[in-house]
Amino acid sequence: GAVVSQHPSWVICKSGTSVKIECRSLDFQATTMFWYRQFPKQSLMLMATSNEGSKATYEQGVEKDKFLINHASLTLSTLTVTSAHPEDSSFYICSALKTSREQFFGPGTRLTVL
Amino acid sequence: KQEVTQIPAALSVPEGENLVLNCSFTDSAIYNLQWFRQDPGKGLTSLLLIQSSQREQTSGRLNASLDKSSGRSTLYIAASQPGDSATYLCAVEDSGYALNFGKGTSLLVTP
Repeated sequence: GAVVSQHPSWVICKSGTSVKIECRSLDFQATTMFWYRQFPKQSLMLMATSNEGSKATYEQGVEKDKFLINHASLTLSTLTVTSAHPEDSSFYICSALKTSREQFFGPGTRLTVL
Repeated sequence: KQEVTQIPAALSVPEGENLVLNCSFTDSAIYNLQWFRQDPGKGLTSLLLIQSSQREQTSGRLNASLDKSSGRSTLYIAASQPGDSATYLCAVEDSGYALNFGKGTSLLVTP
């Protein structure tokens, strides 16, 4: 199988605080992971591509200083939302890429910023 | 930039009906196309993956077809069941590995 986990599954924080979300590939190694964001009734939008051992590649319009991505090992990528604001409230989903080019998705993290 | 459109946006059918979900994309230079299922507040479950060289894939009651030249894919669900109720997402992979998603079709199968 190919299992990807995310932690936490949901988080509520105050405006101005930082939140870290972890994405782990549990039974395979992934040199590439992706971070997506999904607003209510909208599709998933790619935020950034995370590559192990190198800097992430961000999509146009995504602030790299606000959404910090670290991919320090072949099984873990983290997304830190810095100085979170209510407009950052969303559903964040990661995926990990297997060598077969198939992506396996985590269960998502619901972020609510008060 | 690749644009993926799914029609209809929502669909309600009685149990037992066969149904077709449609997906279209603007750039035919794709690597593969995937259909996913998403339950409310949950992550994605991969249903079918069609490589660009393939025409269709089947899994149980699901059949997905791909016509790359016309930029279209369909997901056929046979003998629908209430447990099939979910949002179905179509996603296209381009050469950069990332997936471009449609907005989904919200399916409700009533008993």
